[in-house]
Amino acid sequence: EPEVTQTPSHQVTQMGQEVILRCVPISNHLYFYWYRQILGQKVEFLVSFYNNEISEKSEIFDDQFSVERPDGSNFTLKIRSTKLEDSAMYFCASSADRDGHEQYFGPGTRLTVT
Amino acid sequence: AQSVSQHNHHVILSEAASLELGCNYSYGGTVNLFWYVQYPGQHLQLLLKYFSGDPLVKGIKGFEAEFIKSKFSFNLRKPSVQWSDTAEYFCAVNAYSSASKIIFGSGTRLSIRP
Repeated sequence: EPEVTQTPSHQVTQMGQEVILRCVPISNHLYFYWYRQILGQKVEFLVSFYNNEISEKSEIFDDQFSVERPDGSNFTLKIRSTKLEDSAMYFCASSADRDGHEQYFGPGTRLTVT
Repeated sequence: AQSVSQHNHHVILSEAASLELGCNYSYGGTVNLFWYVQYPGQHLQLLLKYFSGDPLVKGIKGFEAEFIKSKFSFNLRKPSVQWSDTAEYFCAVNAYSSASKIIFGSGTRLSIRP
């Protein structure tokens, strides 16, 4: 069964550093998403992406965040200058249809900012 | 704004007990409803979903959920739990007219005593 994959599984970085989290969505999917889950809190929507453009973003997704689909398979989330409060589990998801009725989630990348 | 409430933070049951996890959502329009499960160390998996039609939906592993529109509820049930059902359960909503982001509840941790 096709799966969404994410790398790395765990990233440790120092405050102020840039990080790039990588995702490989399911191959025939066209809609891509990033969510995050701070330890002990709920999963929160960050951004959705389609046709090389951001479709929607949340208040969390400020100028420090960016997304890109650099090639036909990868979908990346970049945090330019990490803060302690960026420490969280970041989930990538992909969907075949516009309304995101069924989003398939990756295993997540645990980001630890020290 | 859309929101999802899960009233039980942690539920502890013995094997073979019946399960009901509560979920209420806040949104005035048409919604799609989901239950996701996250087993220890694994990623989010779709347990079941409701888009339209029969308000009683059946999912994988013997789970079912009932959509009660008048109560804005979508409770998850299983008649007889197993130790392997130990996991975190997330109720989620996707507003039909939105750009497809999923709004998650805070999750319910289910622990099953063998």
